[in-house]
Amino acid sequence: DTGVSQNPRHKITKRGQNVTFRCDPISEHNRLYWYRQTLGQGPEFLTYFQNEAQLEKSRLLSDRFSAERPKGSFSTLEIQRTEQGDSAMYLCASSPLWGANEKLFFGSGTQLSVL
Amino acid sequence: AQKVTQAQTEISVVEKEDVTLDCVYETRDTTYYLFWYKQPPSGELVFLIRRNSFDEQNEISGRYSWNFQKSTSSFNFTITASQVVDSAVYFCALRPQAGTALIFGKGTTLSVSS
Repeated sequence: DTGVSQNPRHKITKRGQNVTFRCDPISEHNRLYWYRQTLGQGPEFLTYFQNEAQLEKSRLLSDRFSAERPKGSFSTLEIQRTEQGDSAMYLCASSPLWGANEKLFFGSGTQLSVL
Repeated sequence: AQKVTQAQTEISVVEKEDVTLDCVYETRDTTYYLFWYKQPPSGELVFLIRRNSFDEQNEISGRYSWNFQKSTSSFNFTITASQVVDSAVYFCALRPQAGTALIFGKGTTLSVSS
């Protein structure tokens, strides 16, 4: 299976700690997205990369959040000084640059719990 | 304002019943895109359909059908002869003309019992 892969699946951390999540998109997909989903809500957009360039960021992405995609392949999302309000499912998605570029392929997400 | 409303929080049906999931959207854009995604218990969102604002044709795919009506800003989804495997959370989403972000509704949880 060569779908979108996210690691870890679950992360439990204490408030104030830093956490980093990884996303491996489908290999030929140039676009990569991060979304956040809380219980009972739909996913909310965080940020978007085209290759290695971060082209769009939501105002939800505070200064404590940083995302990278250094070689245009995998991406990392880091949250510094975590807060309880950061507890959520963090979803990664990818799509090809052309063709069905609005059909997002999602990973299974990383569930973050901040104690 | 760009917004998607899924008024039905939860729906429970018995197998073989037909069920319609409602979606109402708000946008001032003349060009936009609408989507439906399915999120099974595993958590991975699965793409079901994309519809462009200038294409109001209804679509049928197997047991699934979609009714897009610009006059009422609705994009409803019907499952015919529901099955237990259809149990999931279903999200309707809007992509405005500008930007790349999808704006999701809060989702409708569908439970199909045998």
